[in-house]
Amino acid sequence: QQPVQSPQAVILREGEDAVINCSSSKALYSVHWYRQKHGEAPVFLMILLKGGEQKGHEKISASFNEKKQQSSLYLTASQLSYSGTYFCGTESPGSSNTGKLIFGQGTTLQVKP
Amino acid sequence: DAGVTQSPTHLIKTRGQQVTLRCSPKSGHDTVSWYQQALGQGPQFIFQYYEEEERQRGNFPDRFSGHQFPNYSSELNVNALLLGDSALYLCASRFKGGNIQYFGAGTRLSVL
Repeated sequence: QQPVQSPQAVILREGEDAVINCSSSKALYSVHWYRQKHGEAPVFLMILLKGGEQKGHEKISASFNEKKQQSSLYLTASQLSYSGTYFCGTESPGSSNTGKLIFGQGTTLQVKP
Repeated sequence: DAGVTQSPTHLIKTRGQQVTLRCSPKSGHDTVSWYQQALGQGPQFIFQYYEEEERQRGNFPDRFSGHQFPNYSSELNVNALLLGDSALYLCASRFKGGNIQYFGAGTRLSVL
C-alpha cells in the first residue's frame, strides 16, 4: 500500500523551515527521499534504514520512527533551489534491499524570495 | 561519470501501437528498475532486471515487458497501448545489494 505524505503542498519564504512527513500502514525496512523538479529526474536526497543507518546530503536531515512506520524530512533555512516535489519511497521487510520502492503521492514545496 | 540516460525523451503513439523505451544505467551499476509516473503522482514500480532476468514485478499487466542486455542496459516494451499508458516512464539503476537508486530524466509517452 502506498505511503501517505503530508502536507500535500507548502509555500515558504527563503530562510524558513519545513517538515515533510511520510507515513506507512506497513512495517518498513527503509525510507528513501527524493526531490523532483518539473521535467527532471528525481534526485536522491536521503536513505534511512532500519536500525538507524542514514546516508544522504549534509544539509538535509531526516528521521525514521520504525515503530510508528513514519519518516520525516527536515528542510532548514530553505533556499530557492529547494523548490520541487518531494517523494518518499518505502521498502518493506519482505522486500528489504530489493530496490522495489513504493512511493507516496508527493509533497510540492515552493520557496519564494 | 554519466548518470542514467533514457531515450527517447518524448514519444507520441496511438492506441493499439507498441513502444520500446531504452535505458543505460549509471556506470558500474548492474540492476535496472522501471517506474511509471502519472501526472501529479509518485512513481509506480513496474519491474526490475538483474543478470538479464526479471527479478521483481509490480502490479502491471503482461503488456509491459522488458529486457536487459549483457552491458546492463535495458528496454521497456509496452504492447497494445491504451490511453491510460500515457505517463512519464522512469528508469533507475543501482549496484546489486546497494541501497541507493539513481533515476534518469524519463521518457514522456503520450498515447492518442
